[in-house]
Amino acid sequence: QTVVTQEPSFSVSPGGTVTLTCGLSSGPISTTHYPSWYQQTPGQSPRTLIYDTGTRSSGVPDRFSGSILENKAALTITGAQADDESYYYCALFMPGGISLIGAGTRLTVL
Amino acid sequence: EEQLVESGGGLVQPGGSLRLSCAASGFTFSIYVMSWVRQAPGKGLEWVSAVSGSGINTYYADSVKGRFTVFRDNSKNTAYLQIDSLRAEDTAVYYCAKDRAYAFETWGQGTLVSVSS
Repeated sequence: QTVVTQEPSFSVSPGGTVTLTCGLSSGPISTTHYPSWYQQTPGQSPRTLIYDTGTRSSGVPDRFSGSILENKAALTITGAQADDESYYYCALFMPGGISLIGAGTRLTVL
Repeated sequence: EEQLVESGGGLVQPGGSLRLSCAASGFTFSIYVMSWVRQAPGKGLEWVSAVSGSGINTYYADSVKGRFTVFRDNSKNTAYLQIDSLRAEDTAVYYCAKDRAYAFETWGQGTLVSVSS
């Protein structure tokens, strides 16, 4: 069974930079997986940050960026702010029209 | 403004059925793939199903295949998720989402499905 892997938790200092990654158990991630990233605070609906590897969704500040680094999808937050403290999920588009979502990374800003 | 409003959730006994609805507004509904994503209490997001803009093509996660049916009525700008043979592990908030570039661009507020005797 193919799974999407994410760091369970990460910590960043206010103003710092953090890169969250998203891996695929079956092999390298490429642009053909159309990696996307979502932010969710408890009790709220997810918010779309990045789609198609590196395209920011409408209204998302440019301190959020997406890329592929060493066969993994990556979400980089530059100049972290207190309200970036949240859960971050990665999703991949797979053959056959299936989507897979990672278990999420809990980001702490302190 | 794009908006998705889910409804139809509730408390149901194991083995029961529910039909969730997702009413869309603010965009040309018929040209977009619509997806369903669920989140069990205290857990992460899980993609469940998707339906093409025409409704012809449907896709399911292995965990729900054979029990869930996704469809849409473009004349009503509404997507549906029929859930049969409900199990305790189906307890979750179910979100519908409008797709863009193989991602979930717009999300609804979710509807809670609780399966318990």
